[in-house]
Amino acid sequence: GNSVTQMEGPVTLSEEAFLTINCTYTATGYPSLFWYVQYPGEGLQLLLKATKADDKGSNKGFEATYRKETTSFHLEKGSVQVSDSAVYFCALPYNQGGKLIFGQGTELSVKP
Amino acid sequence: EAQVTQNPRYLITVTGKKLTVTCSQNMNHEYMSWYRQDPGLGLRQIYYSMNVEVTDKGDVPEGYKVSRKEKRNFPLILESPSPNQTSLYFCATRGQGVRRDTQYFGPGTRLTVL
Repeated sequence: GNSVTQMEGPVTLSEEAFLTINCTYTATGYPSLFWYVQYPGEGLQLLLKATKADDKGSNKGFEATYRKETTSFHLEKGSVQVSDSAVYFCALPYNQGGKLIFGQGTELSVKP
Repeated sequence: EAQVTQNPRYLITVTGKKLTVTCSQNMNHEYMSWYRQDPGLGLRQIYYSMNVEVTDKGDVPEGYKVSRKEKRNFPLILESPSPNQTSLYFCATRGQGVRRDTQYFGPGTRLTVL
């Protein structure tokens, strides 16, 4: 099955700083790739996704590009806000069956 | 509003006392699953269901049971909870058609077993 490795946290940034959270994967074929976000006390929400190589997913100012050459799907945001404080999970399907494989999660804390 | 609901949101119980965590969805999704989230381990799948009356084990099924008698409900049953089942539990569904690769999560149930 497929697997994912995600940058460990926690990450602490000041407001308006640039954010990168690294994610690399191993996969058979070219599955869709996802970033999920978990705000404090809530469930996971889909943040963005990319369905094929070179696709860029984007949402709420976050971006991630599906790079097959480096098997990476790094999450970036140019200017973080306090409201972005959350745990971010990189994920991909384990196989065709429907199970998602998640990275360990990266906790982001943004200070005013 | 499309959603996945779980109840209870918080539960403290004692070892050996049977409990059920309910999960319900209003999106008519066929695929549903349960995950547990533990520090340093991320999310791990417990059980999943491809459709009514079709369930199968995930990565960490020991100590859990599920049933899928109706499409909208997928309860998680702990027959004899133990402290190592203290965790944060999420129910999830998977979309269909063009959203087939997207999963939708409930708000989570924080379980403490004393």
